[in-house]
Amino acid sequence: AQSVTQPDIHITVSEGASLELRCNYSYGATPYLFWYVQSPGQGLQLLLKYFSGDTLVQGIKGFEAEFKRSQSSFNLRKPSVHWSDAAEYFCAVAPRGSSYKLIFGSGTRLLVRP
Amino acid sequence: DVKVTQSSRYLVKRTGEKVFLECVQDMDHENMFWYRQDPGLGLRLIYFSYDVKMKEKGDIPEGYSVSREKKERFSLILESASTNQTSMYLCASSLDRSYDANTGELFFGEGSRLTVL
Repeated sequence: AQSVTQPDIHITVSEGASLELRCNYSYGATPYLFWYVQSPGQGLQLLLKYFSGDTLVQGIKGFEAEFKRSQSSFNLRKPSVHWSDAAEYFCAVAPRGSSYKLIFGSGTRLLVRP
Repeated sequence: DVKVTQSSRYLVKRTGEKVFLECVQDMDHENMFWYRQDPGLGLRLIYFSYDVKMKEKGDIPEGYSVSREKKERFSLILESASTNQTSMYLCASSLDRSYDANTGELFFGEGSRLTVL
C-alpha cells in the first residue's frame, strides 16, 4: 500500500542547531515529493518540492531536502534553526502521472529551545 | 498572492445539525480540496473538485458531501454532524490538474475548527 512515514512525532532542537526531519515513502515508482510547514493557527505552506533532476532541492526559509531513491527517503534539513521555525512539518507525496492527490504524512512538530 | 479564505475559523454545532463550511479562492484555480486534519493522522482528503460541478471522493468521504457551483467556491457539507466529525478542516486550491505541468503546489486556507457536541 502507498504510504508516507514521518517517524518522529516531536523533535526539540536548540536555536542555532542543525535540523533534520525524516520522511520515508512506500510507492511502486518514485512519486512527486513535497514538504509543507504549518505555523500555529495557520494553514499549510509549501517549503519545497522534488519532481526530477538534482536530488538536493532548495526551498524557502533556508530549508533543503535530499531525495535518496535507494532509501525511499526525502529528509528535510536546515543548518541553523531559528525560533520562528517552531511549527509542524508535513511530508507529502503524489504519484506520477495524472493524479494530483497528495498523501500526507502524520507530521513532525518542531520545538525550538532558546 | 493567492488567497484561500475559509468563512469560519471556529464553529460549535450539535449532533444532528447540518453544517456548511465555505471556502473561496481568488486565483482562478481549477482544483479545490477539502482535507481533515487530526493529531497523529496528518491530513486526509475528504473530497476534491477539478472543475465546476465536478467532484471526486477522497479517502474519507463518508458523512460528507460537497458543492462547487462556481469556480472560486467549494463548500463542504455535513448532512448530520456527529461527534466523530469534530476536527480541523482545511480547504486548499491548486492551479491545474497534472503535476506533469510542474506546478503541484497546494494553497491552503487557515482552517475551520469544528466542534460537534
